[in-house]
Amino acid sequence: DAKTTQPNSMESNEEEPVHLPCNHSTISGTDYIHWYRQLPSQGPEYVIHGLTSNVNNRMASLAIAEDRKSSTLILHRATLRDAAVYYCILRDAGGGADGLTFGKGTHLIIQP
Amino acid sequence: EPEVTQTPSHQVTQMGQEVILRCVPISNHLYFYWYRQILGQKVEFLVSFYNNEISEKSEIFDDQFSVERPDGSNFTLKIRSTKLEDSAMYFCASSFARGSGGGELFFGEGSRLTVL
Repeated sequence: DAKTTQPNSMESNEEEPVHLPCNHSTISGTDYIHWYRQLPSQGPEYVIHGLTSNVNNRMASLAIAEDRKSSTLILHRATLRDAAVYYCILRDAGGGADGLTFGKGTHLIIQP
Repeated sequence: EPEVTQTPSHQVTQMGQEVILRCVPISNHLYFYWYRQILGQKVEFLVSFYNNEISEKSEIFDDQFSVERPDGSNFTLKIRSTKLEDSAMYFCASSFARGSGGGELFFGEGSRLTVL
């Protein structure tokens, strides 16, 4: 899996939007961009994924740059429950390795 | 909402003992995975399993580890002779489809293994 780069930590206030960046300059044409998060003392949890177009679901939005070398996970209105480590992961759709490769992720701190 | 369940939630064992961690994946899922996370470190891929055989494994998954789907519902991870460095949280995951288009993984809450 190609590498991603994320800030180690970010801080935001409750009820405000949060933009979590991810750089993936070596992304290949068949790589999907996945986001997972891990709340304290829990297993990872799927958030969203996309290939080229921006994506929205009930949890978040994913904005993908036109050249696909970066993406941003957007939490529209952060709550205390959104405090977690967020992982940006590239996953090959072309029959590559099955296992997700987790990096260190971004530790998101939400202030009340 | 369907979920992946893991047992035990915490196991303490002596070095050299065999350990079996159990997982019940979501019922219609076809792909199964084990990951581990040593305290304070990254989540690491161990192995993936499909159609009753291993499809991918990492360097961590050596001869001390094995996986099995003994009865069509459980998915187990066995560590034959535990070492101190096997102490970690072990996560099971399952997926309905392979590949990034439909490859959302559902993770369990984990089994904490402590080797003394």
